[in-house]
Amino acid sequence: DAKTTQPTSMDCAEGRAANLPCNHSTISGNEYVYWYRQIHSQGPQYIIHGLKNNETNEMASLIITEDRKSSTLILPHATLRDTAVYYCIVRPLETSGSRLTFGEGTQLTVNP
Amino acid sequence: NAGVTQTPKFQVLKTGQSMTLQCAQDMNHNSMYWYRQDPGMGLRLIYYSASEGTTDKGEVPNGYNVSRLNKREFSLRLESAAPSQTSVYFCASSETRDAYGYTFGSGTRLTVV
Repeated sequence: DAKTTQPTSMDCAEGRAANLPCNHSTISGNEYVYWYRQIHSQGPQYIIHGLKNNETNEMASLIITEDRKSSTLILPHATLRDTAVYYCIVRPLETSGSRLTFGEGTQLTVNP
Repeated sequence: NAGVTQTPKFQVLKTGQSMTLQCAQDMNHNSMYWYRQDPGMGLRLIYYSASEGTTDKGEVPNGYNVSRLNKREFSLRLESAAPSQTSVYFCASSETRDAYGYTFGSGTRLTVV
């Protein structure tokens, strides 16, 4: 799986958009970009994934650059409950039991 | 739906003791996984099971064994616990195509003294 690079930490004001960047310059054509988050002491939670088109769901939006070498996760109106470690992971979709490899992630702190 | 259920939630073991961590999912997922997370670090894969009847080593399998009992259940066994195995253990499951990502349990916090 391709390696990803994320900032160690970020801060965001409550109610503002949180934009979390991820670099994945070695991504392969069959690899998707996944985002998970882990709120303190809890199991990771799936947020969103995409291949090359921008994606949006009830939790977040995912913007992938045209060359697919980087992406941005957007939380449109961050709340205090969005404080968590956010993991950007790239891996193929169609693989039986393929492994999800977690890096260090970005600690997002949403401030009142 | 309960999702992924792990038992126990907390456990303290003495060095050399054995125990089994239990995991069950009710989503009819084919694949199941065991991860460990040490303080301040990311998750590391211990073992995984792509489908019922198969298991494979992950990144850090030493000191552990697993059993895929049936499609629902995937257990992790520590035969002789060591202080280095003090960690939080997470079980997860996913569909083969993983269209909706992994679903994780709430974790087992294990301390080996």
